[in-house]
Amino acid sequence: AAGVIQSPRHLIKEKRETATLKCYPIPRHDTVYWYQQGPGQDPQFLISFYEKMQSDKGSIPDRFSAQQFSDYHSELNMSSLELGDSALYFCASSLEGGSYGYTFGSGTRLTVV
Amino acid sequence: GESVGLHLPTLSVQEGDNSIINCAYSNSASDYFIWYKQESGKGPQFIIDIRSNMDKRQGQRVTVLLNKTVKHLSLQIAATQPGDSAVYFCAERGSGGSNYKLTFGKGTLLTVNP
Repeated sequence: AAGVIQSPRHLIKEKRETATLKCYPIPRHDTVYWYQQGPGQDPQFLISFYEKMQSDKGSIPDRFSAQQFSDYHSELNMSSLELGDSALYFCASSLEGGSYGYTFGSGTRLTVV
Repeated sequence: GESVGLHLPTLSVQEGDNSIINCAYSNSASDYFIWYKQESGKGPQFIIDIRSNMDKRQGQRVTVLLNKTVKHLSLQIAATQPGDSAVYFCAERGSGGSNYKLTFGKGTLLTVNP
């Protein structure tokens, strides 16, 4: 079965650089969610999109932005990277508000040096 | 690998024992709850879910109990195996409107000793 695909799997950036993370949801899923997970922490909700419109916003820094495209894939853009942005970034997708569950990707490990 | 274990509650059991992992959730209006298993460096993997109109649900070797009165979830794993070693998270979904994001509770690191 198709899963949620995230790219890249690993990313190393220097401080003040920019990064773009991509997420390809399960086909026909209408909602994408982004989460950030620091070492030893629970995943923290960043932002979500339903049918290409932002549906909810969490603790996402102003330096970050995201969008969902016509093919339903989503991109998380991160600028002016800081050391504290080093984390695992997960994308999840769902159908009809999660009534049929949520599927997570394998994540992108971002390291800022 | 990640230093996941340094900041998380831990549970250590012997292979073959039963494990019980507990979780407190925050929103009394949440209507759907999910337990996830996360291995180091990987994404959360679905284990079992339960809706707010139920208080117990069983799967293969796993049982979830929901106590809405005290906003408490538990995950029971029968005959725990070394492959069950991972971090376990509960997650809740808010109800109403467009707020369908999952909110995660604090994870528990389960270590199964052979």
